[in-house]
Amino acid sequence: DTAVSQTPKYLVTQMGNDKSIKCEQNLGHDTMYWYKQDSKKFLKIMFSYNNKELIINETVPNRFSPKSPDKAHLNLHINSLELGDSAVYFCASSQKDGLSGNTIYFGEGSWLTVV
Amino acid sequence: GQNIDQPTEMTATEGAIVQINCTYQTSGFNGLFWYQQHAGEAPTFLSYNVLDGLEEKGRFSSFLSRSKGYSYLLLKELQMKDSASYLCAVSDSNYQLIWGAGTKLIIKP
Repeated sequence: DTAVSQTPKYLVTQMGNDKSIKCEQNLGHDTMYWYKQDSKKFLKIMFSYNNKELIINETVPNRFSPKSPDKAHLNLHINSLELGDSAVYFCASSQKDGLSGNTIYFGEGSWLTVV
Repeated sequence: GQNIDQPTEMTATEGAIVQINCTYQTSGFNGLFWYQQHAGEAPTFLSYNVLDGLEEKGRFSSFLSRSKGYSYLLLKELQMKDSASYLCAVSDSNYQLIWGAGTKLIIKP
């Protein structure tokens, strides 16, 4: 039933490790996103994909690499984790239409803690 | 540059009415969104305004004035469960969402 689902929900890992967060949406949307929300609660877009193609790549370290095998999936791989990577990562999807604009639907979030 | 401004924090009393303001400056405009985010949870969609005026949805209403670059979210008959952060976001000319930092609303009994 979950429209946008991401796993894992909680992740505690050591500095220097590599980790992945998976995301899937069953809404049939063309666009998917990765957002980062830090301790100050500010939502920052990291990446946006439209039909498997990268359309937004904000100033994000190249240790972060998104992968979209198909338009329903957008995974996030993070290499060489650093303490500053600790945050909540939200996957999201949207479909542009005339009635609701580009309403974004979020996954439940993945709480990453780097120790 | 693009900018969304909203108050950092507001406090209101259970049963009362509160208005959360949002002003914006963006390159183009394709609508304004309000989202609610409870602590430890994901943001959830509340409302979308693309034309001037008031949109009412139950206890929540959202207003837009495009000429003034201004919106507000009005919450009536406040309940304790309304304690949350409220995020204002504007869809720019490329349909990309520009997010405000959010307003933390504290409801007191």
